[in-house]
Amino acid sequence: NAGVTQTPKFRILKIGQSMTLQCTQDMNHNYMYWYRQDPGMGLKLIYYSVGAGITDKGEVPNGYNVSRSTTEDFPLRLELAAPSQTSVYFCASSYYRTANTGELFFGEGSRLTVL
Amino acid sequence: GEDVEQSLFLSVREGDSSVINCTYTDSSSTYLYWYKQEPGAGLQLLTYIFSNMDMKQDQRLTVLLNKKDKHLSLRIADTQTGDSAIYFCAESPLWVADGSYQLTFGKGTKLSVIP
Repeated sequence: NAGVTQTPKFRILKIGQSMTLQCTQDMNHNYMYWYRQDPGMGLKLIYYSVGAGITDKGEVPNGYNVSRSTTEDFPLRLELAAPSQTSVYFCASSYYRTANTGELFFGEGSRLTVL
Repeated sequence: GEDVEQSLFLSVREGDSSVINCTYTDSSSTYLYWYKQEPGAGLQLLTYIFSNMDMKQDQRLTVLLNKKDKHLSLRIADTQTGDSAIYFCAESPLWVADGSYQLTFGKGTKLSVIP
């Protein structure tokens, strides 16, 4: 049971480069999320999706784009990377909140450094 | 907006009890969560409590909620070296129209267990 899988685990980018962080889940969750975690800080929501074809901005969306063409995949695109985007990125998924457990299922994270 | 505050570090001896504290600001009914992050891994839900409850117990974990002071605590009895991790407090509104879990996370408390 793979859960939420993120690739790559580590990446170094030069300023101005672009890249895509991949996220796949095999739990048939409708809801998917991208968070960033800066050192000594809590997680901040970048974007989320309530289902295929639907995405919405979170707290810190600037500099990022997402798409959701299938239930399983939710890639995060960084355009024109900047040092401020150096962070650990977590993808997560969840059921609809009628279960009311608040359980987000997290991937292992992707550590991105922009130099 | 919501804010969640928690102390950054806690050190305890193996076998002692650990108490991790958190304060939150949301004045409406809310869900409150404790997530655990082990080194190099994503976050994993430990337990949750609804804001109309005072206490919840689950094996070695006890969650206490002081609604008046908006103070949440997580007590870990008989702390083991395997409990060494970062513990995040988080809150979520009772109702979100699109059904997503929009959690606000604290900065995390790093628990170090001394053998």
